[in-house]
Amino acid sequence: AQSVSQHNHHVILSEAASLELGCNYSYGGTVNLFWYVQYPGQHLQLLLKYFSGDPLVKGIKGFEAEFIKSKFSFNLRKPSVQWSDTAEYFCAVNALMSGTYKYIFGTGTRLKVLA
Amino acid sequence: GAGVSQTPSNKVTEKGKYVELRCDPISGHTALYWYRQSLGQGPEFLIYFQGTGAADDSGLPNDRFFAVRPEGSVSTLKIQRTERGDSAVYLCASSLSAGSYEQYFGPGTRLTVT
Repeated sequence: AQSVSQHNHHVILSEAASLELGCNYSYGGTVNLFWYVQYPGQHLQLLLKYFSGDPLVKGIKGFEAEFIKSKFSFNLRKPSVQWSDTAEYFCAVNALMSGTYKYIFGTGTRLKVLA
Repeated sequence: GAGVSQTPSNKVTEKGKYVELRCDPISGHTALYWYRQSLGQGPEFLIYFQGTGAADDSGLPNDRFFAVRPEGSVSTLKIQRTERGDSAVYLCASSLSAGSYEQYFGPGTRLTVT
């Protein structure tokens, strides 16, 4: 079965530290890739997405992610985190399989940034 | 404009009862999704609609769960004979169409089965 793995479940960083959150998926066909974020008390919202083209995509608030097809990965990065980045981050994949779209989310990474 | 709304925000029910959860998508969005999120987990796909029809209901856990979207807008998720294991946050999302479009999520309905 297709799956999305986020290996870091909890991450604690100090402000200005660099961030990289891992995401790996297990589907060999064409995929659309997403990172969603959920700030405390808020809805899930899109951080960035990759459909095609340049594998390095930039999102809101200084986040970026790189699609590496050979590694089935879509890791999220930010060079310098802020206290306001404290949130839960979800990697998600969708792919067309047997004529319908399948949507799979990872289990999430809870990031805490210390001021 | 208005985002995705879900009602009620919280629902407490007794084991064995029937519940309905409602989702109002963003106007003009043809695709609508239901997910279930348990504590410490990511959203688990249940069903999605493209227009009025259920395009994929493979995530519904069993036949106690059913969802409708009769006019291609509002959707209702129906759970019969609720069990304690059904307790979770039920999320609704909508997008312009299925596929590569961004999903916009609602605030969720927290269902507690006692």
